[in-house]
Amino acid sequence: QQQVRQSPQSLTVWEGETAILNCSYEDSTFDYFPWYHQFPGESPALLIAIRPVSNKKEDGRFTIFFNKREKKFSLHIADSQPGDSATYFCAASTGGLSGKLTFGEGTQVTVIS
Amino acid sequence: NSKVIQTPRYLVKGQGQKAKMRCIPEKGHPVVFWYQQNKNNEFKFLINFQNQEVLQQIDMTEKRFSAECPSNSPCSLEIQSSEAGDSALYLCASSLQGGAETLYFGSGTRLTVL
Repeated sequence: QQQVRQSPQSLTVWEGETAILNCSYEDSTFDYFPWYHQFPGESPALLIAIRPVSNKKEDGRFTIFFNKREKKFSLHIADSQPGDSATYFCAASTGGLSGKLTFGEGTQVTVIS
Repeated sequence: NSKVIQTPRYLVKGQGQKAKMRCIPEKGHPVVFWYQQNKNNEFKFLINFQNQEVLQQIDMTEKRFSAECPSNSPCSLEIQSSEAGDSALYLCASSLQGGAETLYFGSGTRLTVL
């Protein structure tokens, strides 16, 4: 069964710190790894994503680090802001039309000022 | 703001009742996905379509749900006989190319089965 594991379940950081969220996967056919954030009462929104050809992807304060050999990837949120408080989900997908997402369990991030 | 429109936003049904929700995908997106997100934040893929045809669906969907994406009409997902365990957020997403890379989620329909 395809699985994506995510940790920690919850994370509290001070404003300005770097939050680190971790994911691992089992299926080697996964070739697309997005991170979504979801605010209470809203739907998931794509934050940043990476393909295995790269081991790092940056977008502003958000960085994905990818380790294909260990089948792990992480999201680093630098200079965390209170507005970053949300639930973050990693996911993985294979290519093609049936490229449905397999989601991790989610990490609830709280940034305190 | 999401370009995938889902209605209704909230839906309350009694056990055994039908529950129907609709989705208008983003214009020009031929592939539509339905996911269920339960109270524990767990996502479950339900079904996907390319235009009017079903690409994949899980066993639960095939047995208990009725889903379609007719041309020139909203896509729909209907639970034939609601159960308490169906209480969840139902998310519709559309994609330009079918893969997850251009996937946009709607705001969801939150179903409560009493």
